[in-house]
Amino acid sequence: SQELEQSPQSLIVQEGKNLTINCTSSKTLYGLYWYKQKYGEGLIFLMMLQKGGEEKSHEKITAKLDEKKQQSSLHITASQPSHAGIYLCGAGAFGGGADGLTFGKGTHLIIQP
Amino acid sequence: NAGVTQTPKFQVLKTGQSMTLQCAQDMNHEYMSWYRQDPGMGLRLIHYSVGAGITDQGEVPNGYNVSRSTTEDFPLRLLSAAPSQTSVYFCASSWGIQGALGYTFGSGTRLTVV
Repeated sequence: SQELEQSPQSLIVQEGKNLTINCTSSKTLYGLYWYKQKYGEGLIFLMMLQKGGEEKSHEKITAKLDEKKQQSSLHITASQPSHAGIYLCGAGAFGGGADGLTFGKGTHLIIQP
Repeated sequence: NAGVTQTPKFQVLKTGQSMTLQCAQDMNHEYMSWYRQDPGMGLRLIHYSVGAGITDQGEVPNGYNVSRSTTEDFPLRLLSAAPSQTSVYFCASSWGIQGALGYTFGSGTRLTVV
């Protein structure tokens, strides 16, 4: 079965600083999803990457997919308190995720004022 | 547009009791799935469905049953609750082969089994 390893497990960053979260898959990636979860709440979809080399941005969050390394990175520029939460990467076994998603264990992000 | 609605939001069960967690979506999504989230374990897939009448097991299906009689509803049944099933349960739905809009998640059900 596919496993996703996220690093770091937790991150404390001063407000205004940049940060990167990584997600590495044990198998070929056919699509990689990034979600954000506020503590005690549901998951919010950030973006999905499908092709190697693909890069997407949403506000100050940018994600890239490196197919060869079976890895994706999520980069936040000029972090704000609203960026705090748990970031989760997910992947489907056959691209569209029809058979559900496998998730990493998450990266807990704390923004210090 | 309600999205994915999960009920109840909170539930306390006694060991051995049964219950059904409800999940409904109003987006005409084909794909639906159930996950449980436990501290240090992330989200784990319990069951999924690719359409009405079709369901299959995920990573941790033991102790849970599902059915999908309509496109909109995907209930999760706990047959005989055990303390190990104390968790936060999320239902999600998506559509299309590409799934570029990702899965939409419900707000979760917090279940405690005592």
